[in-house]
Amino acid sequence: AQSVTQPDIHITVSEGASLELRCNYSYGATPYLFWYVQSPGQGLQLLLKYFSGDTLVQGIKGFEAEFKRSQSSFNLRKPSVHWSDAAEYFCAVVPNSGGYQKVTFGTGTKLQVIP
Amino acid sequence: GAVVSQHPSRVICKSGTSVKIECRSLDFQATTMFWYRQFPKKSLMLMATSNEGSKATYEQGVEKDKFLINHASLTLSTLTVTSAHPEDSSFYICSARGYGYADEQFFGPGTRLTVL
Repeated sequence: AQSVTQPDIHITVSEGASLELRCNYSYGATPYLFWYVQSPGQGLQLLLKYFSGDTLVQGIKGFEAEFKRSQSSFNLRKPSVHWSDAAEYFCAVVPNSGGYQKVTFGTGTKLQVIP
Repeated sequence: GAVVSQHPSRVICKSGTSVKIECRSLDFQATTMFWYRQFPKKSLMLMATSNEGSKATYEQGVEKDKFLINHASLTLSTLTVTSAHPEDSSFYICSARGYGYADEQFFGPGTRLTVL
């Protein structure tokens, strides 16, 4: 069965510092990959997605993610974090095997930004 | 982009009553809608998948008689929590897929249910 691992439950960074959130997946073939952000009490907002092509994906709010097939990873990065980035971040995968397949979410990484 | 709304955003009810949550796709036709439950400090748990005009498919362990899902049109799905109990208190999020949006789901803002 497919799975998504976000090894870091909680990360704290200083405002202006760089950020990398880790995501690893386990699946036989390359799935579709997503990163979502959730602010407290809110729904999920899509930051970026990877279906195919260029392995470096640009998203909204200055985020980017790099797909590395050899490492089964899809890490999210931002060069300079803003206080408003404090939120919970979820990595998600959908099998790329035709027809509808269920989304599997990681357990999330909570980002705290300190002044 | 595609927008999904949920109503109400927050509801408090007494134990034993039923609560209905609406999920609407505002600017696209949702071929499939999904209902998730999110426990505090946890990820999203898929409860059920519904296609317009057909019965919902429930995930293992989800009581279909307790969580009634209706997907009456291409823009509306409802989740009714019947005979709610305090353990049903949670954050419920819907999402929708539509024509032309490949495998992307669009999420609603969520509904906070508190059962007293």
